[in-house]
Amino acid sequence: NAGVTQTPKFQVLKTGQSMTLQCAQDMNHEYMSWYRQDPGMGLRLIHYSVGAGITDQGEVPNGYNVSRSTTEDFPLRLLSAAPSQTSVYFCASKGDRGGETQYFGPGTRLLVL
Amino acid sequence: KQEVTQIPAALSVPEGENLVLNCSFTDSAIYNLQWFRQDPGKGLTSLLLIQSSQREQTSGRLNASLDKSSGRSTLYIAASQPGDSATYLCAVRRYTGANNLFFGTGTRLTVIP
Repeated sequence: NAGVTQTPKFQVLKTGQSMTLQCAQDMNHEYMSWYRQDPGMGLRLIHYSVGAGITDQGEVPNGYNVSRSTTEDFPLRLLSAAPSQTSVYFCASKGDRGGETQYFGPGTRLLVL
Repeated sequence: KQEVTQIPAALSVPEGENLVLNCSFTDSAIYNLQWFRQDPGKGLTSLLLIQSSQREQTSGRLNASLDKSSGRSTLYIAASQPGDSATYLCAVRRYTGANNLFFGTGTRLTVIP
């Protein structure tokens, strides 16, 4: 089991560029989510999904899109990057069975110039 | 809205000392509370999860307690070691809605050899 994987590890974008942060899990988890972590603030929820084809907004969804076409993958799209989106992004997953523990990926560090 | 606070923001202790990290939350209607460890530049590793009906959980040198009515949790680390140096985050899941977590800003622990 690789657990939760994220790519890329680090990315630099210019304002206005678009990109997709990839997240995949091999634990057959139904629930997946994206958080961002900024200095001095707790992790904040961007979007989440309770299963393939189902997504919903979290606390800070503006500027981000998601889709969930398979159980394994949950990509996060930045449509037009802004400096305010400079952050570290974490993907997480949780299964419906086997407990409540949430598993996090290693993160993607994004710098928007 | 659920607010999660962790005090202190940073803590330095000599090796071998026992220590307590604090977490408080404003809405006592939680489903569970989870403690995570985050090493610099890394993702989050789950340490302990306490269901709302439980008072404490133990894993090795770690003991987490939960007092839901007062909105508090503590993480007790016995006989601290330099390898315990990391940032410790607590997160609560609300009783209603999806599996979304509300995070505190963390306590950065340094254990001095």
